Amino acid sequence: EIVLTQSPGTLSLSPGERATLSCRASQSVSSTYLAWYQQKPGQAPRLLIYDVSNRATDIPDRFSGSGSGTDFTLTISRLEPEDFAIYYCQQYGTSPLTFGGGTKVEIK
Amino acid sequence: QVTLRESGPALVKPTQTLTLTCTFSGFSLDTRAVCVSWIRQPPGKPLEWLARVDWDDDKYYSSSLRTRLSIVKDTSKNQVVLKMTNMGPADTATYYCARQSSGTSCRVGMDVWGQGTSVTVSS
Repeated sequence: EIVLTQSPGTLSLSPGERATLSCRASQSVSSTYLAWYQQKPGQAPRLLIYDVSNRATDIPDRFSGSGSGTDFTLTISRLEPEDFAIYYCQQYGTSPLTFGGGTKVEIK
Repeated sequence: QVTLRESGPALVKPTQTLTLTCTFSGFSLDTRAVCVSWIRQPPGKPLEWLARVDWDDDKYYSSSLRTRLSIVKDTSKNQVVLKMTNMGPADTATYYCARQSSGTSCRVGMDVWGQGTSVTVSS
């Protein structure tokens, strides 16, 4: 099973700042099969990025993904008030599918 | 419009079997490269993938919960049913179903999620 470790656990930033979230896999992720999700309190997760770097429908271009192998990054170029949430990475190339433990982006 | 909706009991007793239903619309599980997964989230904890059923009836399960889970699809009703046996307090969570589909495979992100259904395990 591929274990995904996200860091930091919490990121305290101000609106307008850049956020860099990390996701590290215990073994190489098959091809580009990694996604990022955003979750706000009381809501279901929302797909932001799939296949490492492709934005899902209606996701603004301030969100970008990169990486390969075992190291992946989600970058939010300029934080908007609605971006403060928890972010999860997920690999879907190898069964069982797995999620990371999440990074909370909070207002500083 | 693609939608999924979870339904099931809000409260189950320890040792009971939980049965959850995901009813979807806007797509068919008869179509190639369409899959539906179940995911859960205990209060204040991360997401945990549980199981997936594919258009061709292939099934995949969480390693740690494999012996307790079963997933089936009913394409005539547009439903996916998850059963989890021997429920315990640690299974208290919000349970979600979600679709994976890219037209060519299910190796893609979960693009549409249900709103989730909360399940509490308590006597």
